[in-house]
Amino acid sequence: LAKTTQPISMDSYEGQEVNITCSHNNIATNDYITWYQQFPSQGPRFIIQGYKTKVTNEVASLFIPADRKSSTLSLPRVSLSDTAVYYCLVGSLQTGANNLFFGTGTRLTVIP
Amino acid sequence: KAGVTQTPRYLIKTRGQQVTLSCSPISGHRSVSWYQQTPGQGLQFLFEYFSETQRNKGNFPGRFSGRQFSNSRSEMNVSTLELGDSALYLCASSRGEGTGELFFGEGSRLTVL
Repeated sequence: LAKTTQPISMDSYEGQEVNITCSHNNIATNDYITWYQQFPSQGPRFIIQGYKTKVTNEVASLFIPADRKSSTLSLPRVSLSDTAVYYCLVGSLQTGANNLFFGTGTRLTVIP
Repeated sequence: KAGVTQTPRYLIKTRGQQVTLSCSPISGHRSVSWYQQTPGQGLQFLFEYFSETQRNKGNFPGRFSGRQFSNSRSEMNVSTLELGDSALYLCASSRGEGTGELFFGEGSRLTVL
C-alpha cells in the first residue's frame, strides 16, 4: 500500500500559481498518481491523474519526475473558490479501492 | 449522466440504535466503496463491493457491514451505534478496474447522541 506525504496546509494569494508536492517513495510499477479536491461536507472530486512526465487539463497540471517518487500538482492563478483540501493518492483500482489511501491531504487557503 | 446519490443526507440517531445508508452509483459502474470521514481520523476506507461481492474491507469492527444489489446499488449498516460513529459517510463508485477514478457522492452525515 503506497502511502503519501504532503504538506498539511498552504496559504496563497488570489491570482498566484500554487504548487503542492507529494512524496510517494514506495510507488509500484502499476500505480498511478491521482489528485482529488474536497470542499467541506462534500465528497472528494477528481482533479487529475498521471503515470509519468506531465499531464495537463483545464484545471491543473501534474508534474511527475522520471523516478516517480514524487509529484507536484500545479494550480494556475488560484481563486478563493480553490480553498479546499487536496489529496494525493497513489495506486490503481486494479485490485480494489482499498489500495487508494487518502491520507490527511493538504488544506489550501486562498487569501484575497 | 447522473452522479452518485446518497440517502439520507442527514440523520440523527441515539446510542445503541442501528442505521442503514444507501448509495446509488453511476450507471455502468460495478464498484461501490464506502468511507468514514471524521475531523480526527480523516477519510478512512470501510469496504468495497464489486459485482455484489465484498472485494476489500478496511479496519473497522463487525458492527459495520454492507451489501450490494444486482443493480449495483449498495447499502451500509451500522449496528449498536456509538458516539464515535458520528461522521460523514461517503460512498464512491467506479468501474472497479484499471486506473479509473472514484466518483463520490455528497455523503450522509450521521450524528449519534
